[in-house]
Amino acid sequence: DTGVSQDPRHKITKRGQNVTFRCDPISEHNRLYWYRQTLGQGPEFLTYFQNEAQLEKSRLLSDRFSAERPKGSFSTLEIQRTEQGDSAMYLCASSLRLAADTQYFGPGTRLTVL
Amino acid sequence: AQSVTQLDSHVSVSEGTPVLLRCNYSSSYSPSLFWYVQHPNKGLQLLLKYTSAATLVKGINGFEAEFKKSETSFHLTKPSAHMSDAAEYFCVVSGIIRTYKYIFGTGTRLKVLA
Repeated sequence: DTGVSQDPRHKITKRGQNVTFRCDPISEHNRLYWYRQTLGQGPEFLTYFQNEAQLEKSRLLSDRFSAERPKGSFSTLEIQRTEQGDSAMYLCASSLRLAADTQYFGPGTRLTVL
Repeated sequence: AQSVTQLDSHVSVSEGTPVLLRCNYSSSYSPSLFWYVQHPNKGLQLLLKYTSAATLVKGINGFEAEFKKSETSFHLTKPSAHMSDAAEYFCVVSGIIRTYKYIFGTGTRLKVLA
């Protein structure tokens, strides 16, 4: 399968711990997005990469959050000092560079902070 | 600014009857519009997209949507519901220059009754 993959699929952690999620986009896609989806809501944009450059960050992304895409391929999203409010589904999507191209989503990582 | 309003949080239909999921959008730009479906524990799957070509867009699994600029609407329809259509549906607007990030509606949960 050559779709977007995310790891882990589920993560349970205690408040105050750090967590890191990984996203592997479709291989020829140079745009990569992170979204967060809380229960009963639609996904909300967090950040966006074009190749290895992080070009936009949402105000939702506090200083405890950091994302990287070091070689323009896979990306990681790290949350430091997790809080219960960070519990959500974290979705990764990728697309080609062309305008209005469809974003293809991974299965998501469900984070539960106890 | 861009926004999406899904007018119904829950819709119930009987199997074999038509489906109508309503979506209104607001956009300062010429928008791209999408419908995605999310089955439990599955990733977001693209149903269809509108990108300023034909106003009636056909998607997968018998779904279609009509772009009506005068009404700023992009409603999703299907002539005959199937049990497997039960899922969460999201209307999405894109088109913000440079990032093309998605703005999601809050979702409509479709229930199909036997």
